[in-house]
Amino acid sequence: DTEVTQTPKHLVMGMTNKKSLKCEQHMGHRAMYWYKQKAKKPPELMFVYSYEKLSINESVPSRFSPECPNSSLLNLHLHALQPEDSALYLCASSQDIAGRETQYFGPGTRLLVL
Amino acid sequence: AQSVTQPDIHITVSEGASLELRCNYSYGATPYLFWYVQSPGQGLQLLLKYFSGDTLVQGIKGFEAEFKRSQSSFNLRKPSVHWSDAAEYFCAVGYSGNTGKLIFGQGTTLQVKP
Repeated sequence: DTEVTQTPKHLVMGMTNKKSLKCEQHMGHRAMYWYKQKAKKPPELMFVYSYEKLSINESVPSRFSPECPNSSLLNLHLHALQPEDSALYLCASSQDIAGRETQYFGPGTRLLVL
Repeated sequence: AQSVTQPDIHITVSEGASLELRCNYSYGATPYLFWYVQSPGQGLQLLLKYFSGDTLVQGIKGFEAEFKRSQSSFNLRKPSVHWSDAAEYFCAVGYSGNTGKLIFGQGTTLQVKP
């Protein structure tokens, strides 16, 4: 099973709201990722967790706050977002963070900020 | 700096025709190379990958790719395209270090004519 699940599929929020995106994998992977993807563009890496510790933060604004409660779960907490943050948010996981490891992607959460 | 180039932004082929999507990379060491496909509104699905060994790799859905070190290329091919192959295709390179970072090309949109 190479499935990464994400909830919700769609999310509409106002600029003053607080919401969370959730990601789950049961492949025993120890690396998990958040990406942001705009239409017709490649995914942009936001955060990398390795063994439940934040490994990379690609200078993401503090209104995005990641959390890795355990090795299977990854959350992205959203607060005071801007309309330009509207995008498809993808979660991925891999065995570890070695470059040879395949990243398996979830279906994404389509976020619209009004 | 490492980079991935997909020269063709948009390609249209007739159903049943052959397909080749180009990918060139710039990387000092032996790269870890991936091709992903993304249907509209979906996550990325791995088609195939190359790390070492046989330079012609087979993937899912009848796709194959050939690694050519002398040309720094990893082109994706399919002998006969089906209408369901219409999607966005991304070539990506993994770093040899333990960062988890993937460098994506800008993507190629494939349109299939009936």
